[in-house]
Amino acid sequence: EIVLTQSPGTLSLSPGERATLSCRASQSISSSYLAWYQQKPGQAPRLLIYGASDRATGIPDRFSGSASGTGFTLTISRLEPEDFAVYYCLHYSSSSLTFGGGTKVEIK
Amino acid sequence: EVQLVESGGGLVKPGGSLKLSCAASGFTFSSYGMNWVRQAPGKGLEWVSSISFSSSYTYYTDSVKGRFTISRDNAKNSLYLQMKSLRGGDTAVYYCARGALGRLDYWGQGTLVTVSS
Repeated sequence: EIVLTQSPGTLSLSPGERATLSCRASQSISSSYLAWYQQKPGQAPRLLIYGASDRATGIPDRFSGSASGTGFTLTISRLEPEDFAVYYCLHYSSSSLTFGGGTKVEIK
Repeated sequence: EVQLVESGGGLVKPGGSLKLSCAASGFTFSSYGMNWVRQAPGKGLEWVSSISFSSSYTYYTDSVKGRFTISRDNAKNSLYLQMKSLRGGDTAVYYCARGALGRLDYWGQGTLVTVSS
């Protein structure tokens, strides 16, 4: 069973700063099936990135994803006020989905 | 416009049953895999179950195997989750989400299931 570990648990930043979120898998996984989601309080999650680096429809280009070995990174180049939220990574295998524990990006 | 609207949540006693529904509109429902994802109060997201577009394949997280059944009715554009032998740990907001291969591109607003005596 694959475990996704997200770090840090909480990221305290100011608007305009760069955010770097990490998602590490317990074993090697295909980057084709790694996605990132954003969730704001009281709202459903929203797909940001799929295939580790492809932006979903309508997602601003300040959001980017990358992969390196068992590690995946979501980068927000310049935080906008609406970007403060919780972010989850998700991996798909042949018969299951696994979410990471989430990273909360909060206003410093 | 793609819309997913969950219903059927509520308060149920431990050991009880509940059936959730998700009404889909704005897209060709029969062409997409569908999923249930839940979120316990104050916790993270947890995948529950998935079903292929033709119902040929169904998958469940271990903690609900044998208790939950996912199904769909493509003629009614609807997704279902039959939940039996409910436990306190099943208390959560349940979301239906469209997609496959981890690419869940549309989500409903969720329905709350509370398991308590």
